[in-house]
Amino acid sequence: GQNIDQPTEMTATEGAIVQINCTYQTSGFNGLFWYQQHAGEAPTFLSYNVLDGLEEKGRFSSFLSRSKGYSYLLLKELQMKDSASYLCAVRDQSYGQNFVFGPGTRLSVLP
Amino acid sequence: DGGITQSPKYLFRKEGQNVTLSCEQNLNHDAMYWYRQDPGQGLRLIYYSQIVNDFQKGDIAEGYSVSREKKESFPLTVTSAQKNPTAFYLCASSLDRGYEQFFGPGTRLTVL
Repeated sequence: GQNIDQPTEMTATEGAIVQINCTYQTSGFNGLFWYQQHAGEAPTFLSYNVLDGLEEKGRFSSFLSRSKGYSYLLLKELQMKDSASYLCAVRDQSYGQNFVFGPGTRLSVLP
Repeated sequence: DGGITQSPKYLFRKEGQNVTLSCEQNLNHDAMYWYRQDPGQGLRLIYYSQIVNDFQKGDIAEGYSVSREKKESFPLTVTSAQKNPTAFYLCASSLDRGYEQFFGPGTRLTVL
């Protein structure tokens, strides 16, 4: 089976740093994706990890540890527009390379 | 501009009626997907298609049907057999299965 967990909600202050965690249990892990979704809109791609370590992209970084079944998304210098849901998705070989999505973490950035 | 379009953005349906949601992409992607999103839950896969004239059931295909007659188009029909159809429906496409998925803006379906 597959299981992905994320915190339901998080709150942070403008200008701060926030870390959103994702833990997963899948039988055929083959990569992890992070998406951002503003309310009522389409998810948009943020980052991709398939090997252990940190991937940095401007204010956003994503980390993966395959042995621990763990990833996090790090957002720096938070802005009000970062208020959104963040979706963790695992590509699973045993699921035909389809994606299994976590429940999403709703982040609120306060002034 | 390349992208994915879904229509309509909002859709209201009476119980017992079938309704078809449109999804079109001009990204020249082979793979297309339909997901359902409910509050507090992750995206759940309804159907996917890797190539024209071929499609496969996802986790929650019951009460839904699809067709893939053209590479650009992957419409989803929500039938009266779907017990709880009120949800946000997202269409996505990727170059091939397993690649980064690009999403359309979604259709919010409400059954009255």
